[in-house]
Amino acid sequence: QQQVKQSPQSLIVQKGGISIINCAYENTAFDYFPWYQQFPGKGPALLIAIRPDVSEKKEGRFTISFNKSAKQFSLHIMDSQPGDSATYFCAASRGSNYQLIWGAGTKLIIKP
Amino acid sequence: EADIYQTPRYLVIGTGKKITLECSQTMGHDKMYWYQQDPGMELHLIHYSYGVNSTEKGDLSSESTVSRIRTEHFPLTLESARPSHTSQYLCASSANGYNEQFFGPGTRLTVL
Repeated sequence: QQQVKQSPQSLIVQKGGISIINCAYENTAFDYFPWYQQFPGKGPALLIAIRPDVSEKKEGRFTISFNKSAKQFSLHIMDSQPGDSATYFCAASRGSNYQLIWGAGTKLIIKP
Repeated sequence: EADIYQTPRYLVIGTGKKITLECSQTMGHDKMYWYQQDPGMELHLIHYSYGVNSTEKGDLSSESTVSRIRTEHFPLTLESARPSHTSQYLCASSANGYNEQFFGPGTRLTVL
């Protein structure tokens, strides 16, 4: 029940296209859902996060869509650029004093 | 950019050596974490600390040990390195009451 399942494992998108990465969780007590971006040779960095009181959050070209009833959330990257090529991790946690439960990661490649 | 530092960035050592991976943060965060990650793959939590003199083992069993004598410092030690310890080690920190974790650049360890 603590798992966060992420898909796909890898994704290739043409420049200008929409990249979509999905995550599913079981624990209904989770109340914080971030996405992290990791470039090769770097540590992950927070990209965008959402709490379950809203269904969507947008920051620039990045949008999180959240479906509480389905226990799923997804990252949409609009107008994908080669610079977006990275590994993306979803995560979830319950409250601010609990661990982040991480998805397995998605390697995204944007083809020019 | 987050102020969290890891040294060394790269380390190649022989089997049986004792090593210490250093992690320091200047943000005054109470919570610190060590993750093990094969490049671009899943993050595995191996140790965490919620404050000085507090350390806990994470989800992934590890032969390493940690200490937290000062808030800003969270070193990880391997008493006797083995080839199976070859991996990337990421240190992270977060503030009390907040979920966002800030990551260091990682240490890439190779044990021959």
